[in-house]
Parts: sequence; C-alpha cells; structure tokens
Amino acid sequence: DSGVTQTPKHLITATGQRVTLRCSPRSGDLSVYWYQQSLDQGLQFLIQYYNGEERAKGNILERFSAQQFPDLHSELNLSSLELGDSALYFCASSPRTGFSGNTIYFGEGSWLTVV
Amino acid sequence: DAKTTQPPSMDCAEGRAANLPCNHSTISGNEYVYWYRQIHSQGPQYIIHGLKNNETNEMASLIITEDRKSSTLILPHATLRDTAVYYCIVRVERAAGNKLTFGGGTRVLVKP
Repeated sequence: DSGVTQTPKHLITATGQRVTLRCSPRSGDLSVYWYQQSLDQGLQFLIQYYNGEERAKGNILERFSAQQFPDLHSELNLSSLELGDSALYFCASSPRTGFSGNTIYFGEGSWLTVV
Repeated sequence: DAKTTQPPSMDCAEGRAANLPCNHSTISGNEYVYWYRQIHSQGPQYIIHGLKNNETNEMASLIITEDRKSSTLILPHATLRDTAVYYCIVRVERAAGNKLTFGGGTRVLVKP
C-alpha cells in the first residue's frame, strides 16, 4: 500500500459525459501528479500540482482539468468524453525535498471506460 | 531529464538473480537514477534510486557505473511475482517535486 488513495476504482460512462476522479495523497505530501495509461500504451504525464498551485503540465487535453484543494487532495475532471479517453488514470504524490527524499508514490489507479 | 535506453524484454529463471541494464549516457551531474516497476495494470511501484553510489534495499540493489552513464538493477532472487515491466528513469530532484518521464521499460518474465 503506497498510501495514495484513488476513487473510484472503476468507472463506466458514455461519450460526451463528464467525470471526476479523486486522489488523496500520502499524508504530508504536497505534490500531486496525474498520469494516463491507455491500453497497451505507456504512462503519460498529465499535470502536477504543488501545495495547491499548478506546477507542471504535460500532454493534458483542454477537455481535462485538475485542481488541488487546501486539504491537498486533488481531482481530475474529464469532460466531453470520447472513446479514446478510456484508460487507467494514476495519481501519485511526493513530499517536499528534505522529508525522506523526493520519491514519487503511485496509487492503484482509476479505470475509466467510455462507451 | 536525460533519456534512458533499456532492452525491451528479458526472461529470468525463478530463484536466480535478474540483472536489468539501463543506459543513460547523457545523464547530468544532478540527475538521480530511479527504478520503478509496474505489475500488470497496477500502479507503478518504487523500487530504488541513487545518485552515484551503489544502493541496496529490501527489494533490490542498484549498481551505477563510475562515469554514471549506465546502471544495473539487480533482483537477487527473482520470484514469479517479480514478473513486471521495469522502468529506469533519470530525474532531477526539485524541492517542489518533479515528474517522472516513463519510457518503454523492460518487460521481465520470470519463468519457473
């Protein structure tokens, strides 16, 4: 158990709909990262938040958005869903340097299926 | 972050040591070498990381060459549960965190 919690574990929704994926980082971790892994594809970095502020952006579509709340949990919002958005979405977290290193720990992911 | 090169796949016999190579010839002085693995569709699992010195923990050992251009992850006694995709990543550590950039990794199959 990495200590990173993601909900829901599985989600099936229709094209055009909007979903929200939730992530609770490890206790004390200030950074949250979101990754997407499509079937048989690699892990693609989407976005990083640090202490509530957007820190880095990767290949995140305009239809997707994320935020990190004052209690440090994060949400990834996916809208106008398309079949190609079906994927595993991982959340990860890391502490600020100086507190047991800067290692990133991943949650178990949220499986999104768009039908 | 520097790129890494890993063999796409390798087999290993159960109970034997698995030696996973990684080339990172363009690594910078402040980049760490990280290893993660992903067991089918589970979240990537941190294994070990290092800067210059060899490192060992309960899961594995990391051997980094003196010039830091390559490294080897050693699983001392591979079990069937070690079957996974193993990723070697080089990364600068930043105070506010820094993403990991995953490549294709090495698909390791541990055989009985």
